[in-house]
Amino acid sequence: DIQMTQSPSTLSASVGDRVTITCRASQSISSWLAWYQQKPGKAPNLLIYKSSILESGVPSRFSGSGSGTEFSLTISSLQPDDFATYYCQQYSSYWTFGQGTKVEIK
Amino acid sequence: QLQLQESGPGLVKPSETLSLTCTVSGGSISSTSYYWAWVRQPPGEGLEWIGSIYSTGSTYYNPSLKSRVTITVDTSKKQFSLNLSSVTAADTAVYSCARQIMGDSSGHAHFDFWGQGTLVTVSS
Repeated sequence: DIQMTQSPSTLSASVGDRVTITCRASQSISSWLAWYQQKPGKAPNLLIYKSSILESGVPSRFSGSGSGTEFSLTISSLQPDDFATYYCQQYSSYWTFGQGTKVEIK
Repeated sequence: QLQLQESGPGLVKPSETLSLTCTVSGGSISSTSYYWAWVRQPPGEGLEWIGSIYSTGSTYYNPSLKSRVTITVDTSKKQFSLNLSSVTAADTAVYSCARQIMGDSSGHAHFDFWGQGTLVTVSS
């Protein structure tokens, strides 16, 4: 099984901050990685797939990078609507989610 | 506009079988571009993939749940279903159905659309 580890688990930041979340795979997954945003009581929302491709309609302040085992999601300038929990997910071999990173107001 | 709607009992007794159905509207369940999946999220916890089914009926299950999971599809009704047997309190979660889209011919598919989810509580 491929395990996904996100860091940090919680991130405190202010509006306008540049924020980076890291995701590590237990083995190489090439670029088969997606990022999702989830708000309380809501379904996850796809942000990025294939490591760096921005889903249609997602603001350009979100970006993704990485390949192999190391990946990151960056929000260039945090907006009030961005306070949420973010999950990475590999889809190289079956599907596995990271444990999530909660972005909270500092 | 694609819609996925989960339905089924909100309360299941321990040792019994949890059964849920997802109805797909506004899109084709038979397209070869998609898998259809079940995901769960225990209260306050993260997301866990349960299993997926392709339009041909081919299934893929989380190894940790494989012995208890069955997913089926009825393309005529535009529905796919989840059965999880021998449930315990640890199976209490919000269960969501979702679509997985293949971006190319590689077969790799990411989730692109989710239902709102339904809370299933396992309790006597």
